Amino acid sequence: DAKTTQPPSMDCAEGRAANLPCNHSTISGNEYVYWYRQIHSQGPQYIIHGLKNNETNEMASLIITEDRKSSTLILPHATLRDTAVYYCIVRDTLNTGTASKLTFGTGTRLQVTL
Amino acid sequence: EPEVTQTPSHQVTQMGQEVILRCVPISNHLYFYWYRQILGQKVEFLVSFYNNEISEKSEIFDDQFSVERPDGSNFTLKIRSTKLEDSAMYFCASRAGTGFHQPQHFGDGTRLSIL
Repeated sequence: DAKTTQPPSMDCAEGRAANLPCNHSTISGNEYVYWYRQIHSQGPQYIIHGLKNNETNEMASLIITEDRKSSTLILPHATLRDTAVYYCIVRDTLNTGTASKLTFGTGTRLQVTL
Repeated sequence: EPEVTQTPSHQVTQMGQEVILRCVPISNHLYFYWYRQILGQKVEFLVSFYNNEISEKSEIFDDQFSVERPDGSNFTLKIRSTKLEDSAMYFCASRAGTGFHQPQHFGDGTRLSIL
């Protein structure tokens, strides 16, 4: 799986958009980009995933650059409850065996403030 | 919304004892996983399970660990003889079988404390 690079921490004011960047310059054609978050010691929560097109759901938007070497997770109106560690993970979906696991890095710690 | 449920939320066990962690994956999901997170460290993959057999395991998942899907709903992780270093949060996850890109969904974990 391609390696990802994320800033260790970010701050965002409540009500503003939080834009979390992720670099995955070695991504290959079969690899999807997944975003998860972990609030305190709870289980990782799935947010969104995409291959090459921008995606949006009720939680967030995912913007993937045309060359697919980086992406941005956007929380449009951050609240205090969005304070968490956000993980960007690239996973190969072509092979069903060794490629099915998720490899977590250290993520970005997002602090939403009043 | 369907969710993965794990029991117990906290398990305290004496070193050397056997422990079984339980998970009820999302109904109709076909792929099952266990991960662990030692306090302050990354979430680490332990094992994946599909079609009633292990499809992949990490170096952490040694002979002391085993997984089982004893019936149509439960997925268990057994640690045969616990060590102090097994103290961690253990997360179960499941994934639908419709398309390999489907995301894994996690439970809220079992905190395992070995004394």
